[in-house]
Amino acid sequence: SSELTQDPAVSVALGQSVSITCQGDSLRTYFASWYQQKPRQAPVLVLYGKNNRPSGIGDRFSGSSSGNTASLTITGAQAEDEADYYCNCRDSNGNHLLFGGGTKLTVL
Amino acid sequence: QVQLQESGPGLLKPSQTLSLTCTVSGDSMNSGDYYWNWIRQSPGKGLEWIGYKYNSGGTLYNPSLNSRVTISVDTSKNQFSLRLTSVTAADTAVYFCARGETYTGYYLFDYWGLGTLVTVSS
Repeated sequence: SSELTQDPAVSVALGQSVSITCQGDSLRTYFASWYQQKPRQAPVLVLYGKNNRPSGIGDRFSGSSSGNTASLTITGAQAEDEADYYCNCRDSNGNHLLFGGGTKLTVL
Repeated sequence: QVQLQESGPGLLKPSQTLSLTCTVSGDSMNSGDYYWNWIRQSPGKGLEWIGYKYNSGGTLYNPSLNSRVTISVDTSKNQFSLRLTSVTAADTAVYFCARGETYTGYYLFDYWGLGTLVTVSS
């Protein structure tokens, strides 16, 4: 399959937890990487592999995967977490790279 | 700290060729098994992977752009480039360069440029 599907928009109350999901056949074989993009900025890697965070990314960001679905969970969402989030992984053949359509997270 | 910076014309006419360069600083492009990527984002839309060239020499392009795209690397200048031929208004986008790494089971883009807007208009 050559698609990764994300919900277009998700909202969360300040301090609450939220999960952003990414679905696709290639996720049965590969872990997703996740990127946060704020307006007029470049994407930033926030999660990769099974559940790994780059240096400088808060531990409120975590990841999981089951079947064809990968999830990014923010535990205790902060105002600065409001952004677009994109998942990424290789296609089912392990070659080309895919991005999900992105999820706009609103922190209420 | 690794930094990437895109450069190139911001305005093109339909049918022209888009040429962008990404300059890498803070590390040698040859220091690891890296992939040198171009990614674009049309106004108000999501990210679209264009393609990469990796240090072992191979290239791979998005099938939707394959016939128009070339990515090249000049390690002597620590730069890599994107060439996209026969542009149309649909190629109007912010173009990002990014360094990629692959591991067993996953791929990641660890460093990104700030992006450069390319507009195609007559």
